[in-house]
Amino acid sequence: GNSVTQMEGPVTLSEEAFLTINCTYTATGYPSLFWYVQYPGEGLQLLLKATKADDKGSNKGFEATYRKETTSFHLEKGSVQVSDSAVYFCALSLNSGNTPLVFGKGTRLSVIA
Amino acid sequence: EAGVVQSPRYKIIEKKQPVAFWCNPISGHNTLYWYLQNLGQGPELLIRYENEEAVDDSQLPKDRFSAERLKGVDSTLKIQPAELGDSAVYLCASSFRSGIDNEQFFGPGTRLTVL
Repeated sequence: GNSVTQMEGPVTLSEEAFLTINCTYTATGYPSLFWYVQYPGEGLQLLLKATKADDKGSNKGFEATYRKETTSFHLEKGSVQVSDSAVYFCALSLNSGNTPLVFGKGTRLSVIA
Repeated sequence: EAGVVQSPRYKIIEKKQPVAFWCNPISGHNTLYWYLQNLGQGPELLIRYENEEAVDDSQLPKDRFSAERLKGVDSTLKIQPAELGDSAVYLCASSFRSGIDNEQFFGPGTRLTVL
C-alpha cells in the first residue's frame, strides 16, 4: 500500500537553527510529494511540492528534494524563526490523478527565541 | 478571496446523539473532500465529491456516517449515532478539480468531542 513515515516530534529548536524533518514514503506507483503546514488554529496549507524525481520544492525558505533512490522527501530550512512553529505533514499522491492525499502523522515544531 | 469555511468549529455531544458538520468550499471549486484527523495522526480521506457526485467514499463508515453535496456546492457530513471513537477533527478541503496539479485548500476543521 501507500504510506508516509515522518520523524516523530515534538522538535524544539532555537531561533536561527537549522531544521530537518525526515520523511520517507512507500508507494505502489509513481507519486507526487507534498509538505503541508498547520499553524495553530488554522487549516492545513500547502507549503511545497515536487512531482518527479530530483525536483526540489521550495517556499518561505523551506526546501525539500524528491529522492527516488532513497524514497525520501526531507524538509529543510537553514534558519528557523519563531513564526515557523507549527505542525508539518508530509504527504503523497499517486500520479493517476484520482487518488487522495496520503499523509504522515505530522511533526510538531516549536521554535524558541 | 474567502477560504474554505467550516462550522461549527467545535462540537461536544454525548454518545448516541447525532451530529452534523457543514462545509462551504472556495467558490468555483468542483472537488470537495472530507478528511478525518485523529489526535496525533495525519488526515485520512473519508469521501471525495466531484460536483454533486461522490466519486470515492470507500473509507466512509456507511453504517453511521453519511454525506451530501446538494447542488455541487456546500456539503454536510453527518454521524448518527456518534460513538466515543468518533472524537476527532473533521476537515473539509476543496480544489478546482481532482488531480495532483490541483492544490487542495483546507478549512480550519471541526473538532468533535463525544462524551
